[in-house]
Amino acid sequence: GAVVSQHPSRVICKSGTSVKIECRSLDFQATTMFWYRQFPKQSLMLMATSNEGSKATYEQGVEKDKFLINHASLTLSTLTVTSAHPEDSSFYICSAYPRQGGPLRVQHFGDGTRLSIL
Amino acid sequence: GESVGLHLPTLSVQEGDNSIINCAYSNSASDYFIWYKQESGKGPQFIIDIRSNMDKRQGQRVTVLLNKTVKHLSLQIAATQPGDSAVYFCAEKGAAGNKLTFGGGTRVLVKP
Repeated sequence: GAVVSQHPSRVICKSGTSVKIECRSLDFQATTMFWYRQFPKQSLMLMATSNEGSKATYEQGVEKDKFLINHASLTLSTLTVTSAHPEDSSFYICSAYPRQGGPLRVQHFGDGTRLSIL
Repeated sequence: GESVGLHLPTLSVQEGDNSIINCAYSNSASDYFIWYKQESGKGPQFIIDIRSNMDKRQGQRVTVLLNKTVKHLSLQIAATQPGDSAVYFCAEKGAAGNKLTFGGGTRVLVKP
């Protein structure tokens, strides 16, 4: 149990394109989903916290107009990288935190999306 | 600001030996700690957790030790296997909310 699916797993696109990444909790409902960014050989850096039905909370230094987050249901959150540029190339990972009564109440992670902007 | 850090970036271990991964944290208000394992190209996978009111917790082949006096956390892996090769992250959670702060990571390489 506690499977988090992230799609797509890899995106290669031209500069200026907007890219949408989906994060789904497949077998549980999540009160909160988190979006992280990870550069090669580095740790995970939290970008934003997303609660269902409310606006996301962004970490300091993360542009909310650049990284649009929508959390429409208890099982789905999306991250849209708008007008992506080469410096946005990175590994984006989401996690989901289960509701009470669900699986183990820790952040369960998806397998990430490798974004490459040419 | 507050941070969680690691002492060793890479740890080479002979198959069958025990591994010890260390983590230092600086936020004395943190009340919950987790170890995650991340394999190449994948997301982090939960290994084991410990609350601040405990100093030791054991799982299958893994043990987490917490020393609040010196703000130190460690993960011990018994009889390390090739499948244990990965990057290991410690993460801490503050008293409020469910946000995690991740440490820098340690790569474990298991030699056959």
